[in-house]
Amino acid sequence: AQSVAQPEDQVNVAEGNPLTVKCTYSVSGNPYLFWYVQYPNRGLQFLLKYITGDNLVKGSYGFEAEFNKSQTSFHLKKPSALVSDSALYFCAVRDSLLLIFGTGTRLQVFP
Amino acid sequence: DTEVTQTPKHLVMGMTNKKSLKCEQHMGHRAMYWYKQKAKKPPELMFVYSYEKLSINESVPSRFSPECPNSSLLNLHLHALQPEDSALYLCASSVDRGRNQPQHFGDGTRLSIL
Repeated sequence: AQSVAQPEDQVNVAEGNPLTVKCTYSVSGNPYLFWYVQYPNRGLQFLLKYITGDNLVKGSYGFEAEFNKSQTSFHLKKPSALVSDSALYFCAVRDSLLLIFGTGTRLQVFP
Repeated sequence: DTEVTQTPKHLVMGMTNKKSLKCEQHMGHRAMYWYKQKAKKPPELMFVYSYEKLSINESVPSRFSPECPNSSLLNLHLHALQPEDSALYLCASSVDRGRNQPQHFGDGTRLSIL
């Protein structure tokens, strides 16, 4: 069965510093990986996806993610964090019919 | 603003009431989804419609009844709900059920059962 793990419940970072939100995956076959962000009282917003091709995927709002097959990881990154990036982030893997979510990581960016 | 519109944004109902949640998208997507989300938890899939046909029902209690009147609309009919059904109900859509297609979510209906 496909699954993703987000090992950190919360990540704290100072504004202007780089941020990383971690995700590891377990799949049989080629992985279809996604990152979503959820702001308070909002639905999930699609940030980026990895299907195939370049290991560095660029997405919305300056976010990017690095796919690493040997480490089975798909970490979300941003070079310079903003206070407005504070939100709940979900990594997800697409099973044949289902979107399997990780448990979520709360990102807090401090001024 | 999201391209998937859900109404109402908030709903408070008693356990004996009947109500409906509505979801609408005009992106031409042919797959639509209902999710239930508890606070600080990932969404849990409830139903999937593909080309207006129900293709997945994740063992959801019969007090939740989905309906897809056309390719743009998705309803969730509620009857005799329990307090544990209080949650954020999210609708999503995607181009189709293809594995490479991201799902686009509405902002949800926050449901409280008294």
